[in-house]
Amino acid sequence: QVQLQESGPGLVKPSETLSLTCTVSGGSMSPYYWTWIRQPPGKELEWMGYIYSGGSTNYNPSLKSRVTISVDTSKNQFSLKLSSVTAADTAVYYCARLSPYCTSGSCISPGWFDPWGQGTLVTVSS
Amino acid sequence: DIVMTQSPDSLAVSLGERATINCKSSQTVLYSSNNKNYLAWYQQKPGQPPKVLIYWASTRDSGVPDRFSGSGSGTDFTLTISSLQAEDVAVYYCQQFYSTPYTFGQGTKLEIE
Repeated sequence: QVQLQESGPGLVKPSETLSLTCTVSGGSMSPYYWTWIRQPPGKELEWMGYIYSGGSTNYNPSLKSRVTISVDTSKNQFSLKLSSVTAADTAVYYCARLSPYCTSGSCISPGWFDPWGQGTLVTVSS
Repeated sequence: DIVMTQSPDSLAVSLGERATINCKSSQTVLYSSNNKNYLAWYQQKPGQPPKVLIYWASTRDSGVPDRFSGSGSGTDFTLTISSLQAEDVAVYYCQQFYSTPYTFGQGTKLEIE
């Protein structure tokens, strides 16, 4: 059973770069898509982007200039970097996998998320 | 971006009664090539991450009780809990995966009346 766990600083100063890592256990990272989703306090969920185990990425245009997602399959980890943060980036950050959907011996990852990590709160404040 | 709008924002239902949550997308999420609706429903309990309940608009994920059902097509969708249990108190979200950026509804808070 695949499990995910986020790690990283809980407090980041404005204008600095937020960095988080998601460690995957209980399964291989290949050939799946891995994603970051955030949830500001009391607000809705925002998809930030995903990375394929082979390294290709797709980012939310609302964040595209500030976000970088990378993967290290040898360590079973993928990471998030968000630059030039402001208070508006204060949120619970979740890592998740795009759930595979398999039929007739082939699998795709249509775009729903399962499983999720427990989430980590990152506060942007001086 | 596809905008997902849920209604109502909050809902109070008596134990054993039916709960209905609606989700409307700003454009179709029905893929004509495979006749599948690219919509999922999640349940989020306090302090926990969301958990997928339904995908393809009406397919229950493994282990999800059959009191949860999804319906609808195109731009209008519904999540129904046929007989509300105490453990169903949560916030429910719809999500479209028809196109990126994937987007979620604002959530519906379900409480016991």
